Amino acid sequence: GEDVEQSLFLSVREGDSSVINCTYTDSSSTYLYWYKQEPGAGLQLLTYIFSNMDMKQDQRLTVLLNKKDKHLSLRIADTQTGDSAIYFCAEIPNSGGYQKVTFGIGTKLQVIP
Amino acid sequence: DTAVSQTPKYLVTQMGNDKSIKCEQNLGHDTMYWYKQDSKKFLKIMFSYNNKELIINETVPNRFSPKSPDKAHLNLHINSLELGDSAVYFCASSHRQGEGGYTFGSGTRLTVV
Repeated sequence: GEDVEQSLFLSVREGDSSVINCTYTDSSSTYLYWYKQEPGAGLQLLTYIFSNMDMKQDQRLTVLLNKKDKHLSLRIADTQTGDSAIYFCAEIPNSGGYQKVTFGIGTKLQVIP
Repeated sequence: DTAVSQTPKYLVTQMGNDKSIKCEQNLGHDTMYWYKQDSKKFLKIMFSYNNKELIINETVPNRFSPKSPDKAHLNLHINSLELGDSAVYFCASSHRQGEGGYTFGSGTRLTVV
């Protein structure tokens, strides 16, 4: 999406940490999400962070939110080959009423054994 | 016990035909969506319904017509299919306001020949 930007590709070695970055433009966004899409599959919600939080940790996943810079990152510790997928950053703008999710174009993570 | 199910998973059809894609969710969500994912993996919202009422209608050719018989179903009918309609179409659902994220179906890969 034009309002959410991500790099297209990331390659890491198995066991290393992966960091996927995202920038968004709507400073009033209430929720920011990370979705994972495996080949030929739908989008799976990995985690989300509310805009009043700076960090959220969930097992191997750490989400960092820098509201000043409108920057969101997803860190995957001890990356495994099963983590190979496309990762989408998404935001819900706080525009009132009904809202729609704006997705980034997705970052393809390749994990090298 | 699939949460959001779409049928068919694959659809190959000739230009000019009319086809439908069905979607059902058993999560008790109020809101359902149709997204189109193009060959570059970009996700773009097409429609959204809340309790059978159309709330988001993006710039989509009027050959595309959503139908929501009840809040658990949102079907997508496409008339006079064109080559450019080839894409993966994802159905999704959420609580109103998108709290807790969206749950996506596994997608329908439409190929127009």
